[in-house]
Amino acid sequence: DAGVTQSPTHLIKTRGQQVTLRCSPKSGHDTVSWYQQALGQGPQFIFQYYEEEERQRGNFPDRFSGHQFPNYSSELNVNALLLGDSALYLCASLVTVRGADYNEQFFGPGTRLTVL
Amino acid sequence: DAKTTQPPSMDCAEGRAANLPCNHSTISGNEYVYWYRQIHSQGPQYIIHGLKNNETNEMASLIITEDRKSSTLILPHATLRDTAVYYCTLVPSGNTGKLIFGQGTTLQVKP
Repeated sequence: DAGVTQSPTHLIKTRGQQVTLRCSPKSGHDTVSWYQQALGQGPQFIFQYYEEEERQRGNFPDRFSGHQFPNYSSELNVNALLLGDSALYLCASLVTVRGADYNEQFFGPGTRLTVL
Repeated sequence: DAKTTQPPSMDCAEGRAANLPCNHSTISGNEYVYWYRQIHSQGPQYIIHGLKNNETNEMASLIITEDRKSSTLILPHATLRDTAVYYCTLVPSGNTGKLIFGQGTTLQVKP
């Protein structure tokens, strides 16, 4: 059973460019969250997708957008890249069970984005 | 902002117990304490969680104080592979997955 997979593993872009990162959730999971982790910091929540819609959003500008496909995979898009967008981008998946107290998230290995 | 406070770093001798503290003095009644760890260059990995009772699984034990204002993650026999950043975070009951991470504790297990 494959866990959460992300592609690409590494990416180099220049300022002003646009980037798309991809995530396939763990088998059976229907909810995908994206996190940004700057060097030496903890992961910061960007947004979450469920039923192909953005369900929650963190404190990130509109340059960060996403999409979820019917097969539950997801994309993170970042427009007009800034140097400060250089980070490890993590995808996490879970199964949404309404009313459940426990929602274990499984994280992927991340995509390392470098903006020059 | 994270509602938890952890020491930035700790050392532990291989084979000994590692005790990682976390302060969460403003915890709400419906918030669980979750622990994750992140080994270098990997995504965070779930370890354990609890509400008010002590919990144990194959990876670790979680001790939560009676007033729930602090907790301790215990790795009973630390190995070199336990070297990682350990994050303590609070998760409201029924939360659908938004995790708020602080800077965590870097645990260095030494031979």
